[in-house]
Amino acid sequence: ETGVTQSPTHLIKTRGQQVTLRCSSQSGHNTVSWYQQALGQGPQFIFQYYREEENGRGNFPPRFSGLQFPNYSSELNVNALELDDSALYLCASSLKGVLPIHFGPGTRLLVL
Amino acid sequence: DQQVKQNSPSLSVQEGRISILNCDYTNSMFDYFLWYKKYPAEGPTFLISISSIKDKNEDGRFTVFLNKSAKHLSLHIVPSQPGDSAVYFCAAFDGGSQGNLIFGKGTKLSVKP
Repeated sequence: ETGVTQSPTHLIKTRGQQVTLRCSSQSGHNTVSWYQQALGQGPQFIFQYYREEENGRGNFPPRFSGLQFPNYSSELNVNALELDDSALYLCASSLKGVLPIHFGPGTRLLVL
Repeated sequence: DQQVKQNSPSLSVQEGRISILNCDYTNSMFDYFLWYKKYPAEGPTFLISISSIKDKNEDGRFTVFLNKSAKHLSLHIVPSQPGDSAVYFCAAFDGGSQGNLIFGKGTKLSVKP
């Protein structure tokens, strides 16, 4: 059974740029969630995707957007990067309606 | 306003002794709670969970206790081992979109040999 994978592992961007992070869900899982973990904080829910549609969103602005593909993989896109977007971005997958959700290793984003 | 609070940023315990990690919540709509463990440079790993209809759940060395009236849960690790050294996150679910877990800030556990 393949777990959740994410790419890239690390990324450095400049303020104002755009970034795309990628996630492959665990085999058999059809739902993907994205979280942001700032330094010293717990993970914070960004949004969830199911059947290629957004299915729940946390308190994040519209410049955070996502996609889910037919193979259940997902992308997180962030436009107009701000310094405060520097964080660990975690992807998690699960079956719809089933807990727990299972996290990938994360992508560490640094915005300069 | 934090809905899930882990008031101890760190905890140090001797190997073989009990580790007790605490978590408080404010939202009475939360009906399922989970504990995750996180090592540096890895994602959080699910450890144990408890439904609000129970007051205790046990899995090997790990036991979670839930006190709904006090809105408090705790994770007990007995006996503690050096490999348990990690950051432990408490998370709550309110029955909505199941990807939307509310996390505490975490407690860093250090188990000393």
